[in-house]
Amino acid sequence: DGGITQSPKYLFRKEGQNVTLSCEQNLNHDAMYWYRQDPGQGLRLIYYSQIVNDFQKGDIAEGYSVSREKKESFPLTVTSAQKNPTAFYLCASSIKSPGELFFGEGSRLTVL
Amino acid sequence: GQQVMQIPQYQHVQEGEDFTTYCNSSTTLSNIQWYKQRPGGHPVFLIQLVKSGEVKKQKRLTFQFGEAKKNSSLHITATQTTDVGTYFCAGPLNDYKLSFGAGTTVTVRA
Repeated sequence: DGGITQSPKYLFRKEGQNVTLSCEQNLNHDAMYWYRQDPGQGLRLIYYSQIVNDFQKGDIAEGYSVSREKKESFPLTVTSAQKNPTAFYLCASSIKSPGELFFGEGSRLTVL
Repeated sequence: GQQVMQIPQYQHVQEGEDFTTYCNSSTTLSNIQWYKQRPGGHPVFLIQLVKSGEVKKQKRLTFQFGEAKKNSSLHITATQTTDVGTYFCAGPLNDYKLSFGAGTTVTVRA
């Protein structure tokens, strides 16, 4: 079955630690995105990538980093510089930008 | 900041009643998309509207794109418990990314 796989589903980390969230898609989509969701604030764009080896900052990129070494993969690293990292993180892909988005099931990060 | 605004933020509906959620943009949109997120789940694409004044229906859901392409609405008739969730509208901010509204969270009283 084609789709987007995010892992882990739940993650706990201590303050000061970096953590990497995985996102893999087998839909052969060129564009991939990372969104952050907080209660009552909808979806905010962190980073996006239209093609392999290229990515751009979204609206709230500070404290995050990404890579796009393969078409299928777009991992997100939440660094210790992110002041309020506890949130629900959603990865998405689309055939073209900015077309219909296909979302993964999300990763819920809690900083202890 | 967000380009797309949605109202209301919360909608409490009696089962069987109708309701409407609205989406407004400060600028003209080339298209508008709607997504539904069930509690504990992820957003799922519902529909895309492209033409001025366009109306599309999916069973009990009616989607409309305004004549000026700056607003959109989602109307649900005869609400059921399966309609529970958060409905988001999203419009292209530029050629590469979507701006999402804050969403309307719907709860249903049986």
